[in-house]
Amino acid sequence: DQQVKQNSPSLSVQEGRISILNCDYTNSMFDYFLWYKKYPAEGPTFLISISSIKDKNEDGRFTVFLNKSAKHLSLHIVPSQPGDSAVYFCAANGNQFYFGTGTSLTVIP
Amino acid sequence: DTEVTQTPKHLVMGMTNKKSLKCEQHMGHRAMYWYKQKAKKPPELMFVYSYEKLSINESVPSRFSPECPNSSLLNLHLHALQPEDSALYLCASSQVGTANYGYTFGSGTRLTVV
Repeated sequence: DQQVKQNSPSLSVQEGRISILNCDYTNSMFDYFLWYKKYPAEGPTFLISISSIKDKNEDGRFTVFLNKSAKHLSLHIVPSQPGDSAVYFCAANGNQFYFGTGTSLTVIP
Repeated sequence: DTEVTQTPKHLVMGMTNKKSLKCEQHMGHRAMYWYKQKAKKPPELMFVYSYEKLSINESVPSRFSPECPNSSLLNLHLHALQPEDSALYLCASSQVGTANYGYTFGSGTRLTVV
């Protein structure tokens, strides 16, 4: 049972434009949400997180939005850069971390 | 030191071999994890060690045997693996009970079972 879902397996965006990656979850008890970025042949690296008591967290070009009523979070990257091309996983914290299936982002120069 | 180091980076082993994966961190984290990741899939939790004691075993077959010799080291002993066990094995660490920064992951060991 996939408790965290990323329904878009891939996304292509032009350099300089906004990238929006989406994530849905099913368990209302999750209290922290995180985004990880993964390059091929490397482990995931932490990108940004948000507590369930907030609806927005911003760090430079990266902003995460949380809509608890919809059980939905999104990651906005603006402006997108070619170096942002990677697989992005969202994760939710319950008694363990539950990872989404990932979205492969390609930023086209 | 803010890294999790995994060795080897690549491993090819036969189904009758015995090998070990190693993971090391010096961040003072007291929780360490083994994940398995197949291509185009999210990481799947295998084991969790908290204060050097096994706290979670996600119904992993006994051909995978974890060991935590001390607070900085985590091993995964492999024996009689199957070709379907070929995957990227990721080690991660975290502070116990800290959720907001998640885990620090190693780069993984790419395992191929032939």
